[in-house]
Amino acid sequence: AQKITQTQPGMFVQEKEAVTLDCTYDTSDPSYGLFWYKQPSSGEMIFLIYQGSYDQQNATEGRYSLNFQKARKSANLVISASQLGDSAMYFCAMREAYSGAGSYQLTFGKGTKLSVIP
Amino acid sequence: SQTIHQWPATLVQPVGSPLSLECTVEGTSNPNLYWYRQAAGRGLQLLFYSVGIGQISSEVPQNLSASRPQDRQFILSSKKLLLSDSGFYLCACAPDRGLGEKLFFGSGTQLSVL
Repeated sequence: AQKITQTQPGMFVQEKEAVTLDCTYDTSDPSYGLFWYKQPSSGEMIFLIYQGSYDQQNATEGRYSLNFQKARKSANLVISASQLGDSAMYFCAMREAYSGAGSYQLTFGKGTKLSVIP
Repeated sequence: SQTIHQWPATLVQPVGSPLSLECTVEGTSNPNLYWYRQAAGRGLQLLFYSVGIGQISSEVPQNLSASRPQDRQFILSSKKLLLSDSGFYLCACAPDRGLGEKLFFGSGTQLSVL
């Protein structure tokens, strides 16, 4: 079973509007972290936002917020006031505390391509 | 803040040729280092990670190898490339260890094996 599922291969949003990118995850580990990364056409992956499984409040970073619904195992990214520069691939990722590896490994979803329309 | 240098940006290699991709990190010490590969239109696949000099863990059996000769240097190698090795390779650094450690990525190398 996939650990990270992003069901939207592509999304369009009008400039200045808000958009929600969906992410669901699967883990039996009580301790985990959820991340969102942005990948512009240049290829570099850029960290956007982090949510810990024990965090009481939803994470926010500027125009980015993470809608964390633990019971539903979802961690949707909300981008407010979209800008043309937000056009990119967006990846949801998860790290489990007890993955058995010596290092904390990130598992990535397949991504959502966001296109902002002027 | 840390900076990840990765080169070359693009590489075209024939099947059976060797490979060496280098990644160096500035602005932090004793980071966790990672090599990821991204196939076209796909997510990232972890290839190798290192928690220290000379310490390499492999996640995917393949004809690739990695080495960490210095604290802030991570090298991805192959003795003989396969067509299936084509992809976008990303080096990443995690300066702060732990569950919430954030990965910072280099600009990537687009490898085409022909």
